[in-house]
Amino acid sequence: ELKVEQNPLFLSMQEGKNYTIYCNYSTTSDRLYWYRQDPGKSLESLFVLLSNGAVKQEGRLMASLDTKARLSTLHITAAVHDLSATYFCAVDRTGTASKLTFGTGTRLQVTL
Amino acid sequence: GAGVSQSPSNKVTEKGKDVELRCDPISGHTALYWYRQSLGQGLEFLIYFQGNSAPDKSGLPSDRFSAERTGGSVSTLTIQRTQQEDSAVYLCASSLVYGETQYFGPGTRLLVL
Repeated sequence: ELKVEQNPLFLSMQEGKNYTIYCNYSTTSDRLYWYRQDPGKSLESLFVLLSNGAVKQEGRLMASLDTKARLSTLHITAAVHDLSATYFCAVDRTGTASKLTFGTGTRLQVTL
Repeated sequence: GAGVSQSPSNKVTEKGKDVELRCDPISGHTALYWYRQSLGQGLEFLIYFQGNSAPDKSGLPSDRFSAERTGGSVSTLTIQRTQQEDSAVYLCASSLVYGETQYFGPGTRLLVL
């Protein structure tokens, strides 16, 4: 059974600080996704990582993938309040026709 | 352009009643997915449709749950004889083809009293 774990579950950080969210998964995967969810809202796609060593950046967020370690990171640089949300990683298990298994989510709170 | 839409946005029902949830995927997207998000279980896959292929129903939690997709577009998720543990947000997503990024709808918040 594929398991996806994120840590931390909750992160409170000040504006301007840097931090990393970790996503570990238990079995071989084709793809890894990062999504953002604002309170009461749906999921917004942030990144799709397709291969070992993949790195993608958008604004203050940068995601990377190490398939050998079965680890993805979401790095936040110089956080701003607008980044406050819950961040989910999701893994597409090889051979399961794109059925995503989601991590537990990391609730990020950026304080002024 | 229009994204994935779902209706109703909120549904309150009594235990034992049947409910139908609707999803309109992004036009041209061949793959459609249903997920459930609840406090206790997080985000769970329910069912997946790809084109005219048989759906992957492996995530449906019981035989009270069923889904269909008509004409390769609109999908309906039906929950029969609802139970309180069915209370959750039901999310629909679509993707252009298998394996591409999934775009999520706003969800239907279901409360079973």
